[in-house]
Amino acid sequence: QSALTQPASVSGSPGQSITISCTGTSSDVGVYNYVSWYQQHPGKAPKLMIYDVTNRPSGVSNRFSGSKSGNTASLTISGLQSEDEADYYCSSYTGISSPVFGGGTKLTVL
Amino acid sequence: EVQLVESGGGLVRPGGSLRLSCAASGFTFSDYSINWVRQAPGKGLEWVSSISSNSNYIYYADSVKGRFTISRDNAKNSVYLQMNSLRAEDTAVYYCARDVVPGTTFFMVDYWGQGTLVTVSS
Repeated sequence: QSALTQPASVSGSPGQSITISCTGTSSDVGVYNYVSWYQQHPGKAPKLMIYDVTNRPSGVSNRFSGSKSGNTASLTISGLQSEDEADYYCSSYTGISSPVFGGGTKLTVL
Repeated sequence: EVQLVESGGGLVRPGGSLRLSCAASGFTFSDYSINWVRQAPGKGLEWVSSISSNSNYIYYADSVKGRFTISRDNAKNSVYLQMNSLRAEDTAVYYCARDVVPGTTFFMVDYWGQGTLVTVSS
């Protein structure tokens, strides 16, 4: 199973909105709504930000939202803040008893 | 408060073995699937293995199949990862993590441990 494709880096200024894409195939992202997004700060464990494509866990800011179109899922962060600077990973169920992760996107807040 | 605490990491020679443990607290452990996810130094996340709540379903990544064995003891609120025939490319921080929805194994995880470092080197 190939990894999901994410941009290596994205950047934005405080207050702006950014979107991170996560492209898979018709065997994973395109067919299952079990897509999740994780935020990871340096030296820390990942944190779940979005699951089931669009659901936010309790405690996650509503500035974070998820969506999906075809084989591509997206994470949008609105009202960008300095603490949002981190690595972000997407993941999708593949239907063959294993998940696949994206390569990760480094978000820089300018 | 939900907590997952890994232990058992360390330095091991190629071909050697290690057993990682993940101790859980703060939730009904026997309701949830548990996953192991690893991260090599400076690299991204890689799913390693999962075990369903009642151990009926066990899954492995191709990269560890036949070398790693996952198990759990619901009486002890613990999950284990027995790692044999270790290779340099197994060097990583290993995290245990809980599936977000009880009774399912869709590999969406909400709570993570702090990780334990496994270094395979001669």
